[in-house]
Amino acid sequence: AQSVAQPEDQVNVAEGNPLTVKCTYSVSGNPYLFWYVQYPNRGLQFLLKYITGDNLVKGSYGFEAEFNKSQTSFHLKKPSALVSDSALYFCAVRLIYNQGGKLIFGQGTELSVKP
Amino acid sequence: EAGVAQSPRYKIIEKRQSVAFWCNPISGHATLYWYQQILGQGPKLLIQFQNNGVVDDSQLPKDRFSAERLKGVDSTLKIQPAKLEDSAVYLCASSSPRVGGGTQYFGPGTRLLVL
Repeated sequence: AQSVAQPEDQVNVAEGNPLTVKCTYSVSGNPYLFWYVQYPNRGLQFLLKYITGDNLVKGSYGFEAEFNKSQTSFHLKKPSALVSDSALYFCAVRLIYNQGGKLIFGQGTELSVKP
Repeated sequence: EAGVAQSPRYKIIEKRQSVAFWCNPISGHATLYWYQQILGQGPKLLIQFQNNGVVDDSQLPKDRFSAERLKGVDSTLKIQPAKLEDSAVYLCASSSPRVGGGTQYFGPGTRLLVL
């Protein structure tokens, strides 16, 4: 079955330090991978995606993610965290073979950046 | 460009009552999705429309949930009768293969509490 796992429910980082939010996936074939961020009482905001090409993808707000096919991972990274980055982060994989391309989401990781 | 619009933002009802949510996608987006996000979990697809046709409703509890997109633009999701376990955030998203490679853009969501 297709699935996405975010092994950490919460990640705590000091402002200015690098951050990593982990994501692994299990899908058939080549995946389309996404990261979304959710602020309190807000919908999901698109951060970045990997479809093909360069394994390092750059997105909004200084975030980037690295696709690793051998480890089936797509970790989200940022060189220097800001307090305003504190939010809920979701990794998702898009199914493209059937069912019209729906997104399968991980359970989310709460990122807390302290001053 | 206007984003995905949803209303209402919040709704509180008693079990066995009915409720309806409305979504207006980004202009020109042919594909519309309804997701259910239960607290502490990632969003789960309920139904996907392509124009006014249903692509995937395999996860929709059809005995109580219904959705329509009659003119291929805005959509309504209805629950009748509601159960306690329907308490969740209902997210609408839209996409177009001509914009962002089919990336799904989400509305702010409707937070439903069933008492």
